[in-house]
Amino acid sequence: QQQVKQSPQSLIVQKGGISIINCAYENTAFDYFPWYQQFPGKGPALLIAIRPDVSEKKEGRFTISFNKSAKQFSLHIMDSQPGDSATYFCAARQGTYKYIFGTGTRLKVLA
Amino acid sequence: DTGVSQDPRHKITKRGQNVTFRCDPISEHNRLYWYRQTLGQGPEFLTYFQNEAQLEKSRLLSDRFSAERPKGSFSTLEIQRTEQGDSAMYLCASSLGREFGEKLFFGSGTQLSVL
Repeated sequence: QQQVKQSPQSLIVQKGGISIINCAYENTAFDYFPWYQQFPGKGPALLIAIRPDVSEKKEGRFTISFNKSAKQFSLHIMDSQPGDSATYFCAARQGTYKYIFGTGTRLKVLA
Repeated sequence: DTGVSQDPRHKITKRGQNVTFRCDPISEHNRLYWYRQTLGQGPEFLTYFQNEAQLEKSRLLSDRFSAERPKGSFSTLEIQRTEQGDSAMYLCASSLGREFGEKLFFGSGTQLSVL
């Protein structure tokens, strides 16, 4: 299936710092790009999402930056907190319902 | 809204046995998905239901896998003649299917271990 490449695999950030996770895709037919947050023992939960005709979307401390020409998008977590420690997945929607997920980034925010 | 419920949470089985998992989606959600997740990987698409109709089944799924969603309510995923490679977390998700702003609600998953 079509890939969504995610980096880094893991990330350690000091409390109050900025966490940045990057994703890249190849299929220009992808039309919706959500980010999911997953805590151990739980299913992923939607964090924030963006359409490809928008370059940036901000919700609280979370921002998605989207570069359509480069086929890249990233998640920025401002003022990172220990409670943000989780695994983050980018995803892309193919067609009207099929989501392709990245391999995940394990974020640890040090107190 | 009690969220997406999956049962059982854990299943240990011997190779060659059949297993069945159940998913109860959020009641008004017409879309239902099954995903598989292995350690250190993202969820991998398995199959999708629009109401009771199974619209897509991943080519990664062998004929040993079957899923149903009778009457567009709960769903079951059955794996026949399990193999060790089937060991994974099986996630169910449901949604209302908005064009943009769609939010998949995932259950906590069923962790399958095949010995």
